[in-house]
Amino acid sequence: GAGVSQSPSNKVTEKGKDVELRCDPISGHTALYWYRQSLGQGLEFLIYFQGNSAPDKSGLPSDRFSAERTGGSVSTLTIQRTQQEDSAVYLCASSLAEGRGSGYTFGSGTRLTVV
Amino acid sequence: LAKTTQPISMDSYEGQEVNITCSHNNIATNDYITWYQQFPSQGPRFIIQGYKTKVTNEVASLFIPADRKSSTLSLPRVSLSDTAVYYCLVGDGVTGGGNKLTFGTGTQLKVEL
Repeated sequence: GAGVSQSPSNKVTEKGKDVELRCDPISGHTALYWYRQSLGQGLEFLIYFQGNSAPDKSGLPSDRFSAERTGGSVSTLTIQRTQQEDSAVYLCASSLAEGRGSGYTFGSGTRLTVV
Repeated sequence: LAKTTQPISMDSYEGQEVNITCSHNNIATNDYITWYQQFPSQGPRFIIQGYKTKVTNEVASLFIPADRKSSTLSLPRVSLSDTAVYYCLVGDGVTGGGNKLTFGTGTQLKVEL
């Protein structure tokens, strides 16, 4: 597609359940990022994938969070045993490896609410 | 990662020029300066990127002084639709600004009639 696609757009889950969030990056973009944005806050970096390199997981807040990227394209962010503090908008972005001048392209995000 | 400081909020009126200044005193030699715009319920959108002097595109201009310790995003003749949060980011330019860009809380611009 023309942009970064994320699904679902909204997710309500019960505390303790696992959730999977999906990101379809722009075709040809080798770099993919996940960010989290809590209400009224800036974006918090979670994880970064670049081509076939090992992902940079330094932003993941706990071991309940994990992400994978299959075939260098689609990525899934998984949150296990969700907690109320996980409620936020989860944003995915992609870019060309040499993205100077064009920056990231973000999706519209998945709004996760843990009740 | 270079830390950035920008005003929390700004108010303007339609037709005015708006200048948002960002401070980044510890910017590194390889760092580029990138600005994003975010509307409610949407992901940030790339506006403009620069390294030094002045960059202009169809949306905005970016002014960067010689010491690169600050930058100013200039929005000409704003309209109501420019009401949004504007983020200033600094990072190396290899992947469009760095692989671990830090988004602060940004500047909430409110444009009124």
